[in-house]
Amino acid sequence: AQKVTQAQTEISVVEKEDVTLDCVYETRDTTYYLFWYKQPPSGELVFLIRRNSFDEQNEISGRYSWNFQKSTSSFNFTITASQVVDSAVYFCALKGGTSYGKLTFGQGTILTVHP
Amino acid sequence: KAGVTQTPRYLIKTRGQQVTLSCSPISGHRSVSWYQQTPGQGLQFLFEYFSETQRNKGNFPGRFSGRQFSNSRSEMNVSTLELGDSALYLCASSLGVAGTYEQYFGPGTRLTVT
Repeated sequence: AQKVTQAQTEISVVEKEDVTLDCVYETRDTTYYLFWYKQPPSGELVFLIRRNSFDEQNEISGRYSWNFQKSTSSFNFTITASQVVDSAVYFCALKGGTSYGKLTFGQGTILTVHP
Repeated sequence: KAGVTQTPRYLIKTRGQQVTLSCSPISGHRSVSWYQQTPGQGLQFLFEYFSETQRNKGNFPGRFSGRQFSNSRSEMNVSTLELGDSALYLCASSLGVAGTYEQYFGPGTRLTVT
């Protein structure tokens, strides 16, 4: 069975602060894929990143960075110098290598960035 | 490229009725997945179709069904609606072949059952 845990239900920060969203996953698959999605108030899930289980390189994209550690089954997401537009619900998701189409999502973290 | 489109965006139905939701994937994408999002259960996988075949199914009752057409457009149907079916239904498309698993989501259909 697959499981994704996002322990932080809500996070509130002031603009320009750095914030890290935690994600811990469980799977028995040796090949799997991890994702982060952003859901703004409009409701549409926006794809942010995909990582496969064989690629533990950290990634940086502008103000966003991701830290993947297989040893701790974690795939954390950091926003540097947060902005009000970053306010949204963020979901971490897992797809097993043998599972067609099915993403297992965490419960989501509500991020509020105050001006 | 146009994104994933879903129709209708909002729907109000009465208990016992049935409903059909539609999803048009990104051009060239052959895989369509459906998810139900509720405040209590979060995002839950319903089913996935690829080239008109259902390849995977989540833990939902048989009242939930779907299909995919030869142009990759997909529909999902819920029969005998219950109050608990009120949710945001999200459709996602992907290329669907090995190594290309990122799913791109549509804006969703918000279904309210009264």
